[in-house]
Order: sequence, then structure tokens, then C-alpha cells
Amino acid sequence: NAGVMQNPRHLVRRRGQEARLRCSPMKGHSHVYWYRQLPEEGLKFMVYLQKENIIDESGMPKERFSAEFPKEGPSILRIQQVVRGDSAAYFCASSPPESRGETQYFGPGTRLLVL
Amino acid sequence: AQSVSQHNHHVILSEAASLELGCNYSYGGTVNLFWYVQYPGQHLQLLLKYFSGDPLVKGIKGFEAEFIKSKFSFNLRKPSVQWSDTAEYFCAVNPRGAGGFKTIFGAGTRLFVKA
Repeated sequence: NAGVMQNPRHLVRRRGQEARLRCSPMKGHSHVYWYRQLPEEGLKFMVYLQKENIIDESGMPKERFSAEFPKEGPSILRIQQVVRGDSAAYFCASSPPESRGETQYFGPGTRLLVL
Repeated sequence: AQSVSQHNHHVILSEAASLELGCNYSYGGTVNLFWYVQYPGQHLQLLLKYFSGDPLVKGIKGFEAEFIKSKFSFNLRKPSVQWSDTAEYFCAVNPRGAGGFKTIFGAGTRLFVKA
């Protein structure tokens, strides 16, 4: 039973480029959550999505960041025109349809480095 | 605003020593409580969780945590640590009801166990 998959595991971008982070939830899970972990800090909630719907994006920066979870395929977190402050670990989590998000299963994270 | 506070950022212990990691949260309503562990190079794993019932919760690998409602605390304990417990430990809170999917994490405690 594969867990939550994220790719790439490491991503290096230059300032101004775009970063695309992918998350495949556990089989049967239809809820996806994205978190960001800055150095020496805990994980901070960014966005909660269900298939084809953004449920809550209150933790997303207002500009340059977007997320989607299409009917088919993985969830994508997209960061346009990256800046050095975007360097962080980005974690995805998933939970089953009957859940209200109480227990979330985490992926290995994508470590983004902006040069 | 809701927050989770972990008392120690770094803890160093010798093998067989007892461990207690402090966690306090600020939220007036009912909560679900979690401890996650992140071993070096690996993703977050759930150690234990508390939803209701007995406030003393047993988790994997000999860990336990006690929920003390009056103190808004959920401290993690292990009677005798092993070298393999070296990892980062995160306390997390999930407020029940609306917004319950927004798991709020503490900043983490890095535990290093000397062999």
C-alpha cells in the first residue's frame, strides 16, 4: 500500500523561475493538504483541496502561489517567479473521504532551494 | 490565534535515559492532539494521537503522551530512549469542528541520543 508520494524530492530553482511540486495521495484518499516548513520552524498549513475543488486556501500567500487537484492525476503546488524566501520543505498530506482531516498521512516532502 | 508551543528546540540524552518533551497549545475549544516523528531523511510519521477517552495515550515504539486539559498540555514521554530515537518530534493540534483540517504544528524538538 503505497503512501503519499511527492516529487521531486529536491528541487533547485533560480530566482524568477517557476517551481511545480507534485503530490499523489494515498490510494482511496480524496483530500489533500499542503504545508510549508521553513528552517527551524514547524509546518504551516497552506491549502486544503478535494478533487477539483479548493476548500480552504487561507494559508497560501496571496501572490505567485497556486494549487490544484484535478480529477485525474496528482495535486500540484505551483510557485511562480520564485524568490529566495520560498526556499523551504513543502509537505503534502492526504486523508480519506470520510475524514474531516483529523488524521493526515504525510509524504516525504519536496525540498525547494532557490538560488 | 491558535498556536502550539514546544518547550525545547534541542534535547541531548544518553541511551536509557528517560524522555519528556513538553507541548502546550492555545485554543479554547475541543481539540485532537498528535505527536509526529521525523527521522533523518524520512517523512513525518504519526507516533500517537488523542481524540477522546483515556488521557494517557500509548503510541508506537514505547512512546506515550498525557493530555492534561487544565494545563492545555500534551507532553510526550518514553521511559528509556534508544539511539534509534534520534529524530525531530512535532506536537500538533487539530481543532474540532469548522477548520478542523488545519493541523497546527509546533516548531519541533530535535532529539539526539548518544550511544
